[in-house]
Amino acid sequence: GDSVTQMEGPVTLSEEAFLTINCTYTATGYPSLFWYVQYPGEGLQLLLKATKADDKGSNKGFEATYRKETTSFHLEKGSVQVSDSAVYFCALSEGVGDDKIIFGKGTRLHILP
Amino acid sequence: GAVVSQHPSWVICKSGTSVKIECRSLDFQATTMFWYRQFPKQSLMLMATSNEGSKATYEQGVEKDKFLINHASLTLSTLTVTSAHPEDSSFYICSARDRGRNYYNEQFFGPGTRLTVL
Repeated sequence: GDSVTQMEGPVTLSEEAFLTINCTYTATGYPSLFWYVQYPGEGLQLLLKATKADDKGSNKGFEATYRKETTSFHLEKGSVQVSDSAVYFCALSEGVGDDKIIFGKGTRLHILP
Repeated sequence: GAVVSQHPSWVICKSGTSVKIECRSLDFQATTMFWYRQFPKQSLMLMATSNEGSKATYEQGVEKDKFLINHASLTLSTLTVTSAHPEDSSFYICSARDRGRNYYNEQFFGPGTRLTVL
């Protein structure tokens, strides 16, 4: 079945460092790919998405490119801030109907001032 | 916009009792709501999908008689954990799809409910 694998955390970086959180997926079709973020005490929020190969999703300085050839959707940010500390979930969905979203296990990110 | 709330945010109950968790879409109509369970350091696992006015669709391995889901209106879904036991202790999260923007399967998530069964 479909699945999402992302790097285990926690990841600890200093402010202004470069961030990469790896994510790979397996899917039978052509899924849409997502990154969700969960700030402390809050619900998951959609950070960015990409719906087809070579699409780049971006938001709040974060970027991820849909790489079909490597089945990857790595999250990157050039200069992280303390406020980026959160748990990040990579996810996929096969369809645009009522199909479910399959999540990775999440990666906790700590940014030190 | 697109805010989803859950109530309560945490609950502690005795083994054998039933607990009801509410999920509300505050500023939009949700044709579909989803219930997830999250264990520590684990991913969100979909338990069931509920559509307004119809029976919920449960994922394989989820006991429908234990986890009762009601989606009575376009803004409210409830999850009732019946005869709760310590192994039901977990973090329960709901999400809702906005009727007005169904494209890309975007779901809006509630903040979650921490259930502890003693």
